[in-house]
Amino acid sequence: EVQLVESGGGLIKPGGSLRLSCSASEFSFTNYSMNWVRQAPGKGLEWVSSISSSSNYIYYADSMKGRFTISRDNAKNSLFLQMNSLRADDTAVYYCAGGIGNFNPLEVWGQGTTVTVSS
Amino acid sequence: SYVLTQPPSVSVAPGQTATITCGGNNIQNKRVHWYQQRPGQAPVLALYNGSDRPSGIPERFSGSTSGHTATLTISRVEAEDEAAYFCQVWDMTTDHRVFGGGTKLTVL
Repeated sequence: EVQLVESGGGLIKPGGSLRLSCSASEFSFTNYSMNWVRQAPGKGLEWVSSISSSSNYIYYADSMKGRFTISRDNAKNSLFLQMNSLRADDTAVYYCAGGIGNFNPLEVWGQGTTVTVSS
Repeated sequence: SYVLTQPPSVSVAPGQTATITCGGNNIQNKRVHWYQQRPGQAPVLALYNGSDRPSGIPERFSGSTSGHTATLTISRVEAEDEAAYFCQVWDMTTDHRVFGGGTKLTVL
């Protein structure tokens, strides 16, 4: 069964940093563009960032640019999100999701990891 | 930036047809994808490229795109269809993946 498992979430103070991970199994990870999508409590889905299969193309939502860094390790079937200068409005469930290229849908989703930014 | 507009909520009785719209400028020129998110669960792809169903999605789910509106239609609605539905496109101008605000479908 295709599986994406996120980890690394938790409670962090404003201004702090956190690194999220997403581990893929039973999944052609190296063929997929990978994304982070977040969902604040009671809110809709918000795209965070995407990285192409070979890491050549990286994109960020405007509010995350300069604070968040997406990366991947194809040898370890893993995706990462380094989050710095965290703010209260970054509080959300963070999902990793994969699709074949940016125009195509996100076919595979993880179950999410919760990030809470609070003093 | 490209904006997708969805109604916040839609209600329908079991067995009836639910229609969920997604408005965006010239959306007919974009690939529109729809995701279903049941309460407490991760999103699941429901339709892609406007009208194609992934395996496992019932034939009751269909979609269309015309002009400035994409539409997700669920025929013969069942209780299990109660969920939030999000439309999504890729915006070439900004290189951003854009989601609509989501529509909560309530089965009466």
